[in-house]
Amino acid sequence: GAVVSQHPSWVICKSGTSVKIECRSLDFQATTMFWYRQFPKQSLMLMATSNEGSKATYEQGVEKDKFLINHASLTLSTLTVTSAHPEDSSFYICSPSGKKNNEQFFGPGTRLTVL
Amino acid sequence: LAKTTQPISMDSYEGQEVNITCSHNNIATNDYITWYQQFPSQGPRFIIQGYKTKVTNEVASLFIPADRKSSTLSLPRVSLSDTAVYYCLVLNQAGTALIFGKGTTLSVSS
Repeated sequence: GAVVSQHPSWVICKSGTSVKIECRSLDFQATTMFWYRQFPKQSLMLMATSNEGSKATYEQGVEKDKFLINHASLTLSTLTVTSAHPEDSSFYICSPSGKKNNEQFFGPGTRLTVL
Repeated sequence: LAKTTQPISMDSYEGQEVNITCSHNNIATNDYITWYQQFPSQGPRFIIQGYKTKVTNEVASLFIPADRKSSTLSLPRVSLSDTAVYYCLVLNQAGTALIFGKGTTLSVSS
């Protein structure tokens, strides 16, 4: 399978601050990047889809001005949670999709805790 | 996208075979059936994928009947480390986001 990394693996921040999460696909080119979040004891929820060099498409109910996604290269995408609040505390998972059969890969996730 | 339905939870003991069935009644002709495993605080991990009949790898087997309206993930001789959430998903083409259902929480006891 593909190697996907996320940084940081966990982060604790104060309410009102912004947090940037990096996702790297280390051994293949991700033409598309999916970002998910997962609340405790719930399933993964798709937040947004981004194609390299294009603006992201957000799912209904996800604020595009709050969750800024940058997909400037085929191996790196970032998710910035702006002015984070306690309700943004969640597990954020990236999923790069590229031309490597039908398998979709997932990052190890980033645990965000907003105090 | 085809919706999937699977049991919310299952219990098993070490050494037993576990079969998790998933229904996907409105699966389309070009859809593949994919199963993922997720441990707490980790991203989902690919287990197996199939289109029809039977697929087997070093981890599991996937049985798909001719009508493809359901599929069964078979885990042989489970161990405590197989305790996880298992998701059945339908993937219609490469590059399309996977939409997750609630999954099946498998608990393996000694």
